[in-house]
Amino acid sequence: EADIYQTPRYLVIGTGKKITLECSQTMGHDKMYWYQQDPGMELHLIHYSYGVNSTEKGDLSSESTVSRIRTEHFPLTLESARPSHTSQYLCASRRTGGRLDTGELFFGEGSRLTVL
Amino acid sequence: QKEVEQNSGPLSVPEGAIASLNCTYSDRGSQSFFWYRQYSGKSPELIMFIYSNGDKEDGRFTAQLNKASQYVSLLIRDSQPSDSATYLCAVNPLRKDSGYSTLTFGKGTMLLVSP
Repeated sequence: EADIYQTPRYLVIGTGKKITLECSQTMGHDKMYWYQQDPGMELHLIHYSYGVNSTEKGDLSSESTVSRIRTEHFPLTLESARPSHTSQYLCASRRTGGRLDTGELFFGEGSRLTVL
Repeated sequence: QKEVEQNSGPLSVPEGAIASLNCTYSDRGSQSFFWYRQYSGKSPELIMFIYSNGDKEDGRFTAQLNKASQYVSLLIRDSQPSDSATYLCAVNPLRKDSGYSTLTFGKGTMLLVSP
């Protein structure tokens, strides 16, 4: 069973506030990802990381930033939230190579952000 | 053309029937193919993955892959009301900057199984 945790699960916040969505995994996975998903829409990759001090932007342009200072922790930050940032944010991780690496992503429960 | 295309549905089937979900992808270099199930308000969970052409069976689920046609399908036998969810097809295309490390998802097909 995957051990990947996201907090907060739900957040309602006013425009202009700075927010950080936390994501932690206890599986020792090197690769971690942030996806954004609007209702009825596909998941869009916004950030990913291969390991400590490695971060890359994904397919969908995002005003958010990420950091990877520790293997288990991959927080996402919005410096100034806007209503257009309202969405579900999903964090995921993946096993690091070897025969057990099927390519499967393990997802956290998600953080649903509403910006008023 | 979207990288991964699925019919959004809903696909409605009666309990006990076979549900057939389809997916096409555009990148011929894609290496692995995944089916995730997502209940409303929840995060995706893996149903099956497949790498090679042909069929792969796991319980009531069968994944089918045809790389020449760039087509992946998922069959659910003896469908149950608890199978009602959105089914997401995902592929890992080859990217210049990330290799095969990322997954691209389709929009998903909503399946409704009526008792």
